[in-house]
Amino acid sequence: QKEVEQDPGPLSVPEGAIVSLNCTYSNSAFQYFMWYRQYSRKGPELLMYTYSSGNKEDGRFTAQVDKSSKYISLFIRDSQPSDSATYLCAMSMGNQFYFGTGTSLTVIP
Amino acid sequence: GAVVSQHPSWVICKSGTSVKIECRSLDFQATTMFWYRQFPKQSLMLMATSNEGSKATYEQGVEKDKFLINHASLTLSTLTVTSAHPEDSSFYICSAGGTTGNEQYFGPGTRLTVT
Repeated sequence: QKEVEQDPGPLSVPEGAIVSLNCTYSNSAFQYFMWYRQYSRKGPELLMYTYSSGNKEDGRFTAQVDKSSKYISLFIRDSQPSDSATYLCAMSMGNQFYFGTGTSLTVIP
Repeated sequence: GAVVSQHPSWVICKSGTSVKIECRSLDFQATTMFWYRQFPKQSLMLMATSNEGSKATYEQGVEKDKFLINHASLTLSTLTVTSAHPEDSSFYICSAGGTTGNEQYFGPGTRLTVT
């Protein structure tokens, strides 16, 4: 079983839709949770970073962590074509980092 | 804040030559830097972790004599691909550990093409 599981998609939504991206993990020792956005041929960009269960909001983005279920989500409200990218979840404990395989998202104008 | 740069962004070299890629943390000091390789439409593959002033720790299957990593200062790490071959063509991305050590900030990546 992989440490981190992420549905690769692809996911295609109309502009303005609410997008839900999800990851599950198996190791309860993970303490920190991140979401990255990666545009084609670019390095990943850190979007959200949290360490506790619950929700964290930043503009149109909300990161949700449920440690009891070992499940994290990223919600994108009012999605825009510029949100089209690959989204990677990541988790860390100490100096060890684990990345999901990424979900490819396309927002159609 | 937390900006990481990479240079060059794109390099083409001939088979058998060596290529050096620089990774710099511009506005923070990074005790730990990471080097990744990424093939098209695939996820990140960790190659090695380097701590400032010490030898890099390579992942299983990564040839340390081929991929030389130097982390001489808290703001600079370099990856040298020695005797490059076409199969080394890939997208190489570095990242720097954040000040808390619990997150990573990535560079923009370097596209290497070996002809």
